[in-house]
Amino acid sequence: DTEVTQTPKHLVMGMTNKKSLKCEQHMGHRAMYWYKQKAKKPPELMFVYSYEKLSINESVPSRFSPECPNSSLLNLHLHALQPEDSALYLCASSLSGGADTDTQYFGPGTRLTVL
Amino acid sequence: AQSVTQPDIHITVSEGASLELRCNYSYGATPYLFWYVQSPGQGLQLLLKYFSGDTLVQGIKGFEAEFKRSQSSFNLRKPSVHWSDAAEYFCAVGGAAGNKLTFGGGTRVLVKP
Repeated sequence: DTEVTQTPKHLVMGMTNKKSLKCEQHMGHRAMYWYKQKAKKPPELMFVYSYEKLSINESVPSRFSPECPNSSLLNLHLHALQPEDSALYLCASSLSGGADTDTQYFGPGTRLTVL
Repeated sequence: AQSVTQPDIHITVSEGASLELRCNYSYGATPYLFWYVQSPGQGLQLLLKYFSGDTLVQGIKGFEAEFKRSQSSFNLRKPSVHWSDAAEYFCAVGGAAGNKLTFGGGTRVLVKP
């Protein structure tokens, strides 16, 4: 089973709202990732967690706040977003965060619209 | 720094015809190469990957890819496309610290009946 689940599937929020995206995997993977994907573009890496610790932050604005409560769960907390943050947010996981040969498995994404 | 180029933004192919998607990479060491497919509004599904060994890699859905070190290429092929193959295809290279993937710009495949 190589399933990564994400909720919600769609989210509409105002610029003053606070919301969270959730990602879950039960494959025993120890690395989890957040990507942002704009229309007709490839995914852009935002954050990497390895063994529940933040290992990479690709200079993402502080209005995006990741959290990894345990090895199966990854959250992305959103606050005071801008309309340009509207995108598909993808979560991925891999067996470990250190091995160069890890394969990343992606979830279906959350389509976020900021009004 | 690693980079990936997919020269074709769009490809239109007739159902039943063969398909080849091009991917060129730049990487200083041994590359770890992936092809993913994305249907509209969906996540990315892994088609196949190359780490080492046999340079012809078989994947899911009847796809294969060939690694050619001399040409820095990892082209994806399918002998006979189905209407369900219409999607966006991304080539990616890994191997950087932190397991960062670098994606190409993607190729959108349209399938004519």
